[in-house]
Amino acid sequence: EDQVTQSPEALRLQEGESSSLNCSYTVSGLRGLFWYRQDPGKGPEFLFTLYSAGEEKEKERLKATLTKKESFLHITAPKPEDSATYLCAVQAAGGYNKLIFGAGTRLAVHP
Amino acid sequence: GAGVSQSPRYKVAKRGQDVALRCDPISGHVSLFWYQQALGQGPEFLTYFQNEAQLDKSGLPSDRFFAERPEGSVSTLKIQRTQQEDSAVYLCASSLRDAGGPSYEQYFGPGTRLTVT
Repeated sequence: EDQVTQSPEALRLQEGESSSLNCSYTVSGLRGLFWYRQDPGKGPEFLFTLYSAGEEKEKERLKATLTKKESFLHITAPKPEDSATYLCAVQAAGGYNKLIFGAGTRLAVHP
Repeated sequence: GAGVSQSPRYKVAKRGQDVALRCDPISGHVSLFWYQQALGQGPEFLTYFQNEAQLDKSGLPSDRFFAERPEGSVSTLKIQRTQQEDSAVYLCASSLRDAGGPSYEQYFGPGTRLTVT
Protein backbone atom coordinates (compact mmCIF):
# COMPACT_ATOMS: atom_id res chain seq x y z
CA GLU A 1 0.00 0.00 0.00
CA ASP A 2 1.31 3.46 -0.93
CA GLN A 3 2.05 5.47 2.19
CA VAL A 4 3.64 8.75 3.31
CA THR A 5 4.88 9.47 6.85
CA GLN A 6 6.06 12.89 7.95
CA SER A 7 8.13 13.78 11.01
CA PRO A 8 8.13 15.53 13.32
CA GLU A 9 4.41 16.25 13.72
CA ALA A 10 5.24 19.69 15.09
CA LEU A 11 8.40 21.77 15.23
CA ARG A 12 9.13 24.99 17.09
CA LEU A 13 12.13 27.04 15.99
CA GLN A 14 13.66 30.33 16.94
CA GLU A 15 14.10 32.79 14.10
CA GLY A 16 17.36 31.97 12.33
CA GLU A 17 17.53 28.40 13.69
CA SER A 18 17.89 26.07 10.67
CA SER A 19 16.28 22.62 10.65
CA SER A 20 14.92 19.84 8.42
CA LEU A 21 11.55 18.18 7.97
CA ASN A 22 11.38 14.51 6.96
CA CYS A 23 9.04 12.70 4.56
CA SER A 24 9.35 8.91 4.32
CA TYR A 25 7.42 7.15 1.59
CA THR A 26 6.60 3.71 0.22
CA VAL A 27 5.11 3.67 -3.25
CA SER A 28 4.82 1.18 -6.08
CA GLY A 29 6.87 3.23 -8.53
CA LEU A 30 7.37 6.93 -7.87
CA ARG A 31 6.11 9.32 -10.51
CA GLY A 32 6.75 12.45 -8.44
CA LEU A 33 7.12 13.76 -4.89
CA PHE A 34 5.56 17.10 -4.01
CA TRP A 35 5.97 19.58 -1.19
CA TYR A 36 3.16 21.99 -0.33
CA ARG A 37 2.75 24.71 2.26
CA GLN A 38 -0.64 25.18 3.95
CA ASP A 39 -1.62 28.22 6.02
CA PRO A 40 -4.61 28.04 8.40
CA GLY A 41 -7.91 28.31 6.55
CA LYS A 42 -6.29 28.07 3.12
CA GLY A 43 -5.65 25.41 0.51
CA PRO A 44 -2.21 23.86 0.01
CA GLU A 45 0.25 26.05 -1.92
CA PHE A 46 2.64 24.27 -4.30
CA LEU A 47 6.36 24.52 -3.46
CA PHE A 48 8.40 21.81 -5.26
CA THR A 49 8.24 18.67 -7.39
CA LEU A 50 11.05 16.09 -7.26
CA TYR A 51 11.19 13.21 -9.73
CA SER A 52 14.26 11.08 -9.04
CA ALA A 53 16.75 10.23 -6.28
CA GLY A 54 19.52 12.79 -5.97
CA GLU A 55 17.41 15.66 -7.23
CA GLU A 56 17.41 18.94 -5.27
CA LYS A 57 15.36 22.14 -5.64
CA GLU A 58 15.62 25.47 -3.85
CA LYS A 59 13.35 28.43 -3.29
CA GLU A 60 14.40 31.26 -1.01
CA ARG A 61 15.09 29.70 2.43
CA LEU A 62 13.73 26.26 1.43
CA LYS A 63 15.61 23.36 -0.15
CA ALA A 64 14.05 19.99 -0.97
CA THR A 65 16.04 16.80 -1.54
CA LEU A 66 15.03 13.27 -2.54
CA THR A 67 16.40 9.76 -1.95
CA LYS A 68 14.84 6.41 -2.85
CA LYS A 69 13.04 6.21 0.50
CA GLU A 70 12.63 9.75 1.79
CA SER A 71 12.66 13.46 1.12
CA PHE A 72 13.87 16.31 3.28
CA LEU A 73 12.75 19.91 3.36
CA HIS A 74 15.61 21.99 4.73
CA ILE A 75 14.76 25.42 6.13
CA THR A 76 17.72 27.78 6.42
CA ALA A 77 17.55 30.76 8.80
CA PRO A 78 13.75 30.66 9.05
CA LYS A 79 11.61 33.73 9.64
CA PRO A 80 8.26 33.96 11.45
CA GLU A 81 6.49 34.15 8.07
CA ASP A 82 7.70 30.61 7.34
CA SER A 83 5.30 29.36 10.03
CA ALA A 84 2.80 26.98 8.38
CA THR A 85 2.01 23.31 7.92
CA TYR A 86 4.27 21.64 5.35
CA LEU A 87 2.71 18.73 3.46
CA CYS A 88 4.52 16.03 1.50
CA ALA A 89 2.72 13.99 -1.17
CA VAL A 90 3.59 11.30 -3.70
CA GLN A 91 2.17 10.25 -7.04
CA ALA A 92 2.45 6.59 -7.94
CA ALA A 93 3.23 5.41 -11.45
CA GLY A 94 0.35 3.86 -13.35
CA GLY A 95 -2.42 5.78 -11.65
CA TYR A 96 -4.33 8.92 -12.50
CA ASN A 97 -1.90 11.25 -10.73
CA LYS A 98 -3.83 11.41 -7.49
CA LEU A 99 -1.73 12.74 -4.62
CA ILE A 100 -1.16 10.62 -1.50
CA PHE A 101 -0.43 12.99 1.38
CA GLY A 102 1.27 12.68 4.72
CA ALA A 103 -0.29 14.27 7.80
CA GLY A 104 2.07 17.25 7.62
CA THR A 105 4.56 19.00 9.91
CA ARG A 106 3.32 22.09 11.77
CA LEU A 107 6.16 24.58 11.88
CA ALA A 108 6.18 27.55 14.25
CA VAL A 109 9.03 30.08 14.00
CA HIS A 110 9.28 32.52 16.89
CA PRO A 111 11.09 35.88 16.83
CA GLY B 1 -4.45 34.83 -13.67
CA ALA B 2 -7.22 33.63 -11.38
CA GLY B 3 -6.60 30.55 -9.31
CA VAL B 4 -8.96 27.76 -8.32
CA SER B 5 -12.07 29.08 -6.62
CA GLN B 6 -14.57 27.21 -4.45
CA SER B 7 -17.97 28.09 -3.06
CA PRO B 8 -19.35 28.32 -0.53
CA ARG B 9 -16.33 28.77 1.73
CA TYR B 10 -18.32 27.59 4.74
CA LYS B 11 -21.41 25.40 4.91
CA VAL B 12 -23.38 24.28 7.94
CA ALA B 13 -25.86 21.47 7.31
CA LYS B 14 -28.18 19.59 9.58
CA ARG B 15 -27.78 15.85 9.59
CA GLY B 16 -29.76 14.36 6.75
CA GLN B 17 -29.63 17.43 4.48
CA ASP B 18 -28.13 17.38 0.99
CA VAL B 19 -25.28 19.76 0.10
CA ALA B 20 -23.59 20.84 -3.13
CA LEU B 21 -20.06 22.20 -3.27
CA ARG B 22 -18.76 24.04 -6.33
CA CYS B 23 -15.30 24.22 -7.84
CA ASP B 24 -14.10 26.57 -10.61
CA PRO B 25 -10.72 25.30 -11.85
CA ILE B 26 -8.00 27.34 -13.52
CA SER B 27 -9.06 28.06 -17.09
CA GLY B 28 -7.73 25.47 -19.53
CA HIS B 29 -6.82 22.90 -16.91
CA VAL B 30 -7.74 19.43 -18.11
CA SER B 31 -7.52 17.56 -14.81
CA LEU B 32 -9.66 18.20 -11.74
CA PHE B 33 -9.39 16.47 -8.36
CA TRP B 34 -11.48 16.50 -5.18
CA TYR B 35 -9.91 15.83 -1.78
CA GLN B 36 -11.26 15.63 1.76
CA GLN B 37 -9.18 17.00 4.64
CA ALA B 38 -9.99 16.15 8.24
CA LEU B 39 -8.70 18.39 11.03
CA GLY B 40 -4.97 17.88 11.59
CA GLN B 41 -4.61 15.46 8.68
CA GLY B 42 -3.40 15.64 5.11
CA PRO B 43 -5.90 15.75 2.23
CA GLU B 44 -7.31 12.41 1.06
CA PHE B 45 -8.24 11.73 -2.56
CA LEU B 46 -11.92 11.44 -3.44
CA THR B 47 -12.28 11.54 -7.22
CA TYR B 48 -10.63 12.59 -10.50
CA PHE B 49 -11.94 14.10 -13.75
CA GLN B 50 -10.17 14.40 -17.08
CA ASN B 51 -12.25 17.01 -18.90
CA GLU B 52 -15.86 15.80 -18.39
CA ALA B 53 -14.97 12.15 -17.82
CA GLN B 54 -14.82 10.84 -14.26
CA LEU B 55 -11.92 8.39 -14.54
CA ASP B 56 -11.36 7.54 -10.87
CA LYS B 57 -13.90 7.62 -8.05
CA SER B 58 -12.17 5.08 -5.85
CA GLY B 59 -11.85 7.52 -2.93
CA LEU B 60 -15.55 8.38 -2.55
CA PRO B 61 -16.42 7.06 0.92
CA SER B 62 -20.00 6.01 0.17
CA ASP B 63 -22.70 6.14 -2.46
CA ARG B 64 -23.99 9.31 -0.77
CA PHE B 65 -21.11 11.15 -2.47
CA PHE B 66 -21.52 12.13 -6.10
CA ALA B 67 -19.41 14.38 -8.35
CA GLU B 68 -19.88 15.75 -11.83
CA ARG B 69 -18.13 18.01 -14.35
CA PRO B 70 -20.61 18.06 -17.24
CA GLU B 71 -18.87 20.56 -19.56
CA GLY B 72 -15.30 19.83 -18.57
CA SER B 73 -14.90 23.01 -16.54
CA VAL B 74 -16.88 23.70 -13.34
CA SER B 75 -17.34 20.71 -11.03
CA THR B 76 -19.84 20.01 -8.28
CA LEU B 77 -19.43 17.60 -5.38
CA LYS B 78 -22.76 16.58 -3.92
CA ILE B 79 -23.28 14.84 -0.60
CA GLN B 80 -26.70 13.36 0.08
CA ARG B 81 -28.16 12.74 3.54
CA THR B 82 -25.16 14.28 5.30
CA GLN B 83 -23.77 12.60 8.42
CA GLN B 84 -21.59 14.04 11.18
CA GLU B 85 -18.59 12.09 9.89
CA ASP B 86 -18.84 14.09 6.65
CA SER B 87 -17.65 17.21 8.52
CA ALA B 88 -14.33 18.19 6.94
CA VAL B 89 -12.73 20.62 4.51
CA TYR B 90 -13.35 19.69 0.88
CA LEU B 91 -10.55 20.78 -1.44
CA CYS B 92 -10.59 21.03 -5.20
CA ALA B 93 -7.40 21.00 -7.28
CA SER B 94 -6.71 21.38 -10.98
CA SER B 95 -3.76 20.49 -13.16
CA LEU B 96 -2.80 21.52 -16.67
CA ARG B 97 -2.20 18.12 -18.20
CA ASP B 98 -4.05 14.84 -18.28
CA ALA B 99 -3.23 11.78 -16.23
CA GLY B 100 -1.35 10.06 -19.01
CA GLY B 101 1.37 12.65 -19.18
CA PRO B 102 4.25 13.59 -16.89
CA SER B 103 3.60 14.40 -13.28
CA TYR B 104 2.38 18.00 -13.13
CA GLU B 105 1.68 19.99 -10.02
CA GLN B 106 -1.87 20.41 -8.79
CA TYR B 107 -3.14 23.84 -7.76
CA PHE B 108 -5.59 23.90 -4.89
CA GLY B 109 -8.55 26.09 -4.10
CA PRO B 110 -9.21 27.50 -0.60
CA GLY B 111 -11.61 24.69 0.26
CA THR B 112 -15.14 24.48 1.61
CA ARG B 113 -15.43 23.81 5.33
CA LEU B 114 -18.50 21.61 5.88
CA THR B 115 -19.92 21.24 9.36
CA VAL B 116 -22.76 18.76 9.90
CA THR B 117 -24.72 19.30 13.10
